[in-house]
Amino acid sequence: SAVISQKPSRDICQRGTSLTIQCQVDSQVTMMFWYRQQPGQSLTLIATANQGSEATYESGFVIDKFPISRPNLTFSTLTVSNMSPEDSSIYLCSVREGTGGGYGYTFGSGTRLTVV
Amino acid sequence: AQSVTQPDIHITVSEGASLELRCNYSYGATPYLFWYVQSPGQGLQLLLKYFSGDTLVQGIKGFEAEFKRSQSSFNLRKPSVHWSDAAEYFCAVSGFGNEKLTFGTGTRLTIIP
Repeated sequence: SAVISQKPSRDICQRGTSLTIQCQVDSQVTMMFWYRQQPGQSLTLIATANQGSEATYESGFVIDKFPISRPNLTFSTLTVSNMSPEDSSIYLCSVREGTGGGYGYTFGSGTRLTVV
Repeated sequence: AQSVTQPDIHITVSEGASLELRCNYSYGATPYLFWYVQSPGQGLQLLLKYFSGDTLVQGIKGFEAEFKRSQSSFNLRKPSVHWSDAAEYFCAVSGFGNEKLTFGTGTRLTIIP
């Protein structure tokens, strides 16, 4: 399965600032996703990162707050903008591999963000 | 809309005892079902998945799960747990033509000696 490198692994940021999280995959993948895991909670899909076009955001998430780039099939970034303490979460990158009835989802190790 | 329910927020079992974690899903077509484990401070690791065929699926670390369409369930089992199994377990669903993976709220497993 694909190996995902996610950076940074953790950060402490001041409110009002922005943080960009990078996701690098060791192989070309069509489907890339960004998730948020708030403290003690499950994973919530933020958006699907589309190569060469704008990301597709889930309800409750907007591009101005979570801009996403996907310049090629192996790399994506998620920016958390104008941060507040409520943005303190783990952010995870994920890729879908395989097709038809045999695909799976692989996750990066996550970025633990604390906003103070 | 698709959804996953994990009724048990926290389960405590003794080391060596058997384990069953419950998962119920809602999906309008044939579901693709997954179980992931997340150890403290770690990422998510896939334990097993079901797409079609045999409804009893074997996974890593001695886990298995059974798909029961009539009950909309995909419960995870292990005959004898080890202290290293203490973690958070997530059930998730997607489906044919649907790229999104939807997670349940998770079950935290504690192992007592």
